[in-house]
Amino acid sequence: QQPVQSPQAVILREGEDAVINCSSSKALYSVHWYRQKHGEAPVFLMILLKGGEQKGHDKISASFNEKKQQSSLYLTASQLSYSGTYFCGTEDNNNDMRFGAGTRLTVKP
Amino acid sequence: NAGVMQNPRHLVRRRGQEARLRCSPMKGHSHVYWYRQLPEEGLKFMVYLQKENIIDESGMPKERFSAEFPKEGPSILRIQQVVRGDSAAYFCASSRGDPAYNEQFFGPGTRLTVL
Repeated sequence: QQPVQSPQAVILREGEDAVINCSSSKALYSVHWYRQKHGEAPVFLMILLKGGEQKGHDKISASFNEKKQQSSLYLTASQLSYSGTYFCGTEDNNNDMRFGAGTRLTVKP
Repeated sequence: NAGVMQNPRHLVRRRGQEARLRCSPMKGHSHVYWYRQLPEEGLKFMVYLQKENIIDESGMPKERFSAEFPKEGPSILRIQQVVRGDSAAYFCASSRGDPAYNEQFFGPGTRLTVL
């Protein structure tokens, strides 16, 4: 039931781009993305609903392909502040919400 | 507007004791979720509650663990007869309503250490 995230970890230089993927074996109603800094609570980034929508703010955006039961998070021109662990949370048609194991992103100067 | 509050922030228990973790959701939020996180691992869903109702407890161990969200007061996650394997950070999150449309706001977590 837990969504699968890939990659598990990624290291970038400032200014580089990254893509984090999230896939589920179940039909999805919505996908949530959160970022957690070490020792802190997860913080909300965005929700995507089925309908194939895309969302974004600043240089972080995401897409949701409900047919493929996948979502991707795009980080463009990464900044040092983007470092952290990114979690996708998937909600199925029964309102069951589950989080992936996380993708650890490290941005270096 | 205060965020999600959890207490205590740190809790130390000896094996066999009981641990009670409290979560006060944000004002106006009636949905509460509990998650467990082991060091360097992801968030593992435990239970989803609305006021006075357990909606989904499929992530809760069958024994020793229980959760409630009474009409008045905070949500409580109770772990009886704790074992070393229960050591983890326990996060609660609250939302205004349906998870499809409402982001979850996380509390700062309670770090449980079982000696």
